[in-house]
Amino acid sequence: KQEVTQIPAALSVPEGENLVLNCSFTDSAIYNLQWFRQDPGKGLTSLLLIQSSQREQTSGRLNASLDKSSGRSTLYIAASQPGDSATYLCSPRGSTLGRLYFGRGTQLTVWP
Amino acid sequence: GAGVSQSPSNKVTEKGKDVELRCDPISGHTALYWYRQSLGQGLEFLIYFQGNSAPDKSGLPSDRFSAERTGGSVSTLTIQRTQQEDSAVYLCASSLGPGGAYNEQFFGPGTRLTVL
Repeated sequence: KQEVTQIPAALSVPEGENLVLNCSFTDSAIYNLQWFRQDPGKGLTSLLLIQSSQREQTSGRLNASLDKSSGRSTLYIAASQPGDSATYLCSPRGSTLGRLYFGRGTQLTVWP
Repeated sequence: GAGVSQSPSNKVTEKGKDVELRCDPISGHTALYWYRQSLGQGLEFLIYFQGNSAPDKSGLPSDRFSAERTGGSVSTLTIQRTQQEDSAVYLCASSLGPGGAYNEQFFGPGTRLTVL
């Protein structure tokens, strides 16, 4: 069974800071890894999907890196804004069909 | 539709009553998933469908929980004799297929279930 750990569990920063959210997973035999954002009381929004053959994937101010062999992924958020406040979840996908495994998330608060 | 939809968005029920939660996946997506998110907890997998079959229902917490999918589209999650510990947000997701490198899951907004 895949175990996913996200550090830190919570982060509170002033706007403008560059942020690093960490995700580690126990089974490195993955096909890809997905980062999601969840706003309070809402569903999950996919932010980035990084394939196991890739080392980085970028979308706007977001950049995800993947080190499959060491079981780690990092989400970088540049020039954070109050609108970035949400919980960020990572989910590595392996050979198990269907289900995704999730970390507990990093709860991010960006204050003006 | 453009995205995954779920209904109702909120459901309040009394302990012991049965509830049905509905999920409409993205058109053309063959795989459909149900997850549960309890307060302060992570996302918990419940069941997934490929077409109308459920190859993995190992996450259903008890025999009070059941799900079906008809026509390879709409799915219903039914909870019988609800208990207070069933209170959670129930999330549905769909993808083009169940696995492999390119099957990204898209999530609906969830149904918040409160059992009094």
